[in-house]
Amino acid sequence: QVQLQESGPGLVKPSETLSLTCTVSGGSISSYYWSWIRQSPGKGLEWIGYIYYNGATNYNPALKSRVTFSVDTSKNQFSLKMTSVTAADTAVYFCARGGMAATRLDYWGQGILVIVSS
Amino acid sequence: DIQMTQSPSSLSASVGDRVTITCRASQNINRFLNWYQQKPGKAPKLLIYAASSLQSGVPSRFSGSGSGTDFTLTITNLQPEDFATFYCQQSSSTPLTFGGGSKVEIK
Repeated sequence: QVQLQESGPGLVKPSETLSLTCTVSGGSISSYYWSWIRQSPGKGLEWIGYIYYNGATNYNPALKSRVTFSVDTSKNQFSLKMTSVTAADTAVYFCARGGMAATRLDYWGQGILVIVSS
Repeated sequence: DIQMTQSPSSLSASVGDRVTITCRASQNINRFLNWYQQKPGKAPKLLIYAASSLQSGVPSRFSGSGSGTDFTLTITNLQPEDFATFYCQQSSSTPLTFGGGSKVEIK
């Protein structure tokens, strides 16, 4: 059974960089697309983008200028960095398997709450 | 971006009821439509993919239908564990987008 687990700071100061990692267990990160999704009361579920195991990425244009994904196949992990955060970036961040068009998000992490506040 | 509109945003139902939730896409998405169930404090769980295919392990009382722009999630014989919020999501093109959610509450 594939499991995903998000990790990272739960509190980030405004204008700083949010960094999260998703660790995949129970299966290989290879040959799959991996997504980040966030959920805030104000905007519901928002897809941030995906990274393929070979490093190819596809970002939501709404966030593209501030987001960078990376993958470490040796550790079965992928990561999210979001720069210049504001209070509007306060949300629960989920990682999930899938994200390419015509696919489904079939495994999700439990989510991690990130609060942007000084 | 493709906009996804769900209705109703909330509904009250009783155990044993049949519940129907609709989802409309702002443009033709063929059958690239997925449904998720989310309970408080948990991640969304995939129920239906490609409009009508039941994800492995999901009870058969959940079903999906539709194509093009109009889709439906139906729950027959509603069970206590089904009270949750349901989301549709299009996978026709990126950015992937979700509906605003439909909360099913106990009457």
